[in-house]
Parts: sequence; structure tokens; C-alpha cells
Amino acid sequence: GAVVSQHPSWVICKSGTSVKIECRSLDFQATTMFWYRQFPKQSLMLMATSNEGSKATYEQGVEKDKFLINHASLTLSTLTVTSAHPEDSSFYICSARDERGGPKTQYFGPGTRLLVL
Amino acid sequence: AQKITQTQPGMFVQEKEAVTLDCTYDTSDPSYGLFWYKQPSSGEMIFLIYQGSYDQQNATEGRYSLNFQKARKSANLVISASQLGDSAMYFCAMRVSFGNEKLTFGTGTRLTIIP
Repeated sequence: GAVVSQHPSWVICKSGTSVKIECRSLDFQATTMFWYRQFPKQSLMLMATSNEGSKATYEQGVEKDKFLINHASLTLSTLTVTSAHPEDSSFYICSARDERGGPKTQYFGPGTRLLVL
Repeated sequence: AQKITQTQPGMFVQEKEAVTLDCTYDTSDPSYGLFWYKQPSSGEMIFLIYQGSYDQQNATEGRYSLNFQKARKSANLVISASQLGDSAMYFCAMRVSFGNEKLTFGTGTRLTIIP
């Protein structure tokens, strides 16, 4: 199957700093990517839909100025957590749809664990 | 709005036995897709199986099968001949309206296989 990578896999930062997380589709193009957040022992919650060449669509309750999403190319979407605080500590996972395939071709990255001190 | 319900927070199963993980869903959209993902402790989401709302037959992928009962709005995952490596979190998810690729996830079931 297709591969989606995320970088970094782990990040620890001080409160107040900004953190950028990259999501790349390695062997396919993705006009749409998705960003999810998962707190410990909880389910995945969709944060936003990232659209190549246009603004991201945020889910209700997600601060767009806090979580900046840029989908500058067909293989790369970035999530920047601005002025991170301890409550932003979480597991962030992206997914990308391989549009060559059928309805089940949505591939997840390995995730990024963020710890804000 | 769509909703996925997984009522089993945790399950313990003896190795080599079959196990059924429950999933019910709610949507008013006639066109939807149902997914099961496995999430080991490493955190990656591993796609297991997919069922489309118009598929006539239950989906199967190796040891995984999906017991799709449309009238009851249930999509239970059956794992046959369980293995120690099957220990993980399992999430049921749904997508409606194929133009919108968003997935809605259930709360998950933690499966532990006992040797």
C-alpha cells in the first residue's frame, strides 16, 4: 500500500514555542490530507481537512489561529502548533487519500507525539 | 450527524480463539463506508477491512471478516484464530458521502490476547 510519513515522530518543547509537524505522501499525490489528534486512551478526533492550494477546513471547536495548516504541494501538509501549552500535548496523526484508488484508500502516517513542558 | 459506538472498552481472549468486536453506527446518509483499524502501542493506524453500504456481501480480509447487518446498523469485526500479535486497540470508523473523506471514529476496544 501507499506510504505516508510524519516528521518528527517525537517532539518535546517548552511552553510558548511553536512546533511544526510535517505529513508527506511518499509515493502518491494527495489533494486532501487530514489532521487528527488523539489524547491518551481516547479516540482520534478530526481537527481539520487540509486542501492543496486552498485554506484548510477546521472542525468545530478547533482554533485555526492555534493550529496552522499549510498544504503547499500535492505531497506535503504541515501542522504548526503555535504558542504551544501543556494542554496541547497529544498524539497528532495525519492521513492522506490516494485518489487513484477506491473509497478505502486513505493512509495514515505513523503519528507525532508532542509533549509541551 | 454520524456517530460510531463501540461498547466494549476492553476484551480478553484466549489465543487461537475467535473474537468479535462490536460496532454500531448511526447515519441518515444512504451512502457510507465502514472501516476497522488496528492501533498497536506504537500508535500507527493499520487498515484492516472496509465495507461499503451497498456491498452485497460481507467483507473479508484474511483472518478478518466484517459482519455487516445493515438493518441493525452494525458492523462487527470478527478475528478468527487470534494471535498474540492481535493485542492492540481496535477502532471502527465511518465515512459518509464519498465526496467528503472525513472519518468519524468510535471510542475503540482494547483487545488483549492471552497465551
